[in-house]
Amino acid sequence: AIWMTQSPSLLSASTGDRVTISCRMSQGISSYLAWYQQKPGKAPELLIYAASTLQSGVPSRFSGSGSGTDFTLTISCLQSEDFATYYCQQYYSFPQAFGQGTKVEIK
Amino acid sequence: EVQLLESGGGLVQPGGSLRLSCAASGFTFSSYAMSWVRQAPGKGLEWVSAISGSGGSTYYADSVKGRFTISRDNSKNTLYLQMNSLRAEDTAVYYCAKASRYYGSGSYGYYMDVWGKGTTVTVSS
Repeated sequence: AIWMTQSPSLLSASTGDRVTISCRMSQGISSYLAWYQQKPGKAPELLIYAASTLQSGVPSRFSGSGSGTDFTLTISCLQSEDFATYYCQQYYSFPQAFGQGTKVEIK
Repeated sequence: EVQLLESGGGLVQPGGSLRLSCAASGFTFSSYAMSWVRQAPGKGLEWVSAISGSGGSTYYADSVKGRFTISRDNSKNTLYLQMNSLRAEDTAVYYCAKASRYYGSGSYGYYMDVWGKGTTVTVSS
């Protein structure tokens, strides 16, 4: 199985800030990585797939980068609706896996 | 509009069984792989199982292998998760998700682009 390390687990930020979340794999997964946003009491929503491809309808302030073992989600200018929990997910091989999650809270 | 609606959750005793259903609409169901993902109270997401569009290939997390069975009825546009020998640690919200295919470096991978609202399973005596 592929192990994932997502960091930080908690990120305190202000509206307008630029934030980055990291996801590291125990082995290379090429670009088979997705990012999801989840708000309390709601289902997750897809933000990015193939490491850097923005899902339709997702604001351009979200971006993804990386390949192999190291990946990053960046929110360029944090908005109030972006305070949520974010998960990375590898879909390179089964069993698939999610990172531990990063909660982005208001500073 | 693509929609997924889970049902079948509830309270069950340890060792019991439950079958979850996920009714799909708004897309050609048989053309897509489908997945189940769960989330224990206050915890992160855990991938549970996946099935190919034809139903011919199935995949499981080690934590449920041998106890859970994923299946689908393409004539009814419905995905299922049969859960046996349930344990307290299976308590979670269970989401079904439509899986879209990505072809990268020589193989296909499946990411989840549409999710249902989830159904709650509680295993307790």
